[in-house]
Amino acid sequence: DQQVKQNSPSLSVQEGRISILNCDYTNSMFDYFLWYKKYPAEGPTFLISISSIKDKNEDGRFTVFLNKSAKHLSLHIVPSQPGDSAVYFCAARTDSGGSNYKLTFGKGTLLTVNP
Amino acid sequence: KAGVTQTPRYLIKTRGQQVTLSCSPISGHRSVSWYQQTPGQGLQFLFEYFSETQRNKGNFPGRFSGRQFSNSRSEMNVSTLELGDSALYLCASSSGTSGVSEQFFGPGTRLTVL
Repeated sequence: DQQVKQNSPSLSVQEGRISILNCDYTNSMFDYFLWYKKYPAEGPTFLISISSIKDKNEDGRFTVFLNKSAKHLSLHIVPSQPGDSAVYFCAARTDSGGSNYKLTFGKGTLLTVNP
Repeated sequence: KAGVTQTPRYLIKTRGQQVTLSCSPISGHRSVSWYQQTPGQGLQFLFEYFSETQRNKGNFPGRFSGRQFSNSRSEMNVSTLELGDSALYLCASSSGTSGVSEQFFGPGTRLTVL
């Protein structure tokens, strides 16, 4: 049972346009959501996060939107750049008390930004 | 500040063997988590260690085990290797002490089981 789903395995956009990556979850106990970016032969790197008490968080070209009622979040990249081409993972965390750390990841979406 | 390091980067083993992977977290970080990445399943949580104690555990068989040393370095062991254990094993470190803190990932160890 996959609790975090990224239904689009790949996405291709033109440089300068908006990239929208989507993520759905089923566990209502998730209280914190994160996006990671991964280049080949490297570990994932943290991109942006959002707490479940918010519906939007922005950091430069990256904005994450959270719709709790729909159990859906999305990552917007504007404008998209060729260097953004990577696999993007959506991850979620449950508050298991204190600072216990267990992330549940989606399977990732490969973003290709064409020059 | 040095990042998370993992050794070895690549490993080839045969079925039935056992393997030990090593992870050195960022200096000052006390939490180390391990993940398995495969094309079909994405990243799956194995376990998390904090101050030499396993705090969280994923849904993997007992063949997968780990430990953490007093300097926060962590090792992961897989016994009786199976073909399906071929994967990228990632470790991530965080301060792990309060609230939510982002995890910093190492480059991974690519394990191939023949």
